[in-house]
Amino acid sequence: AQSVTQLGSHVSVSEGALVLLRCNYSSSVPPYLFWYVQYPNQGLQLLLKYTSAATLVKGINGFEAEFKKSETSFHLTKPSAHMSDAAEYFCAVSDPGSARQLTFGSGTQLTVLP
Amino acid sequence: DAGVIQSPRHEVTEMGQEVTLRCKPISGHDYLFWYRQTMMRGLELLIYFNNNVPIDDSGMPEDRFSAKMPNASFSTLKIQPSEPRDSAVYFCASRLDVGELFFGEGSRLTVL
Repeated sequence: AQSVTQLGSHVSVSEGALVLLRCNYSSSVPPYLFWYVQYPNQGLQLLLKYTSAATLVKGINGFEAEFKKSETSFHLTKPSAHMSDAAEYFCAVSDPGSARQLTFGSGTQLTVLP
Repeated sequence: DAGVIQSPRHEVTEMGQEVTLRCKPISGHDYLFWYRQTMMRGLELLIYFNNNVPIDDSGMPEDRFSAKMPNASFSTLKIQPSEPRDSAVYFCASRLDVGELFFGEGSRLTVL
């Protein structure tokens, strides 16, 4: 069984500052990993995904994440935060061998301060 | 293209009443998922279908919950009888094979 742990349920950054949202995974097989974003009163939207190709994955809105097997991590970063980045972010993992059902982390609420 | 469409967006009901949530997946998608989101438990997978057939319903909390997918373009999640602890946002999501998972905007259920 696979799982993800998101460190920090709330993260605040100043506009223009680096965004770093942490995600560690646990999986018995090489996983697929995902980051989703949820804006208020909306569904989840895929930001980026890792599916065993390049370990540095670029997504939408300037976000990227790096798969580090040695650290079992898949942290999400953005060099410069924008006010519109304020949202909840979810890390998710799937087992490629099981119809790729997603297991979500508990989420991290990102606040961007002016 | 229209995304995943859910209805109603908001539902307020009294304990003991039947609740039916509806979902129209993206045309051509062969997988459909129902998730529940609460502050306490986060996002939980309730059930998923492949080609209209329920594959895994191990996440359905109790017999009060049931889900159907009579055809490729429609699914329902029913709660009967509803209880206050069922209050949550229920999401439907669909995907084509192993592609991207697309979520609807959710149905916010409040059971008084």
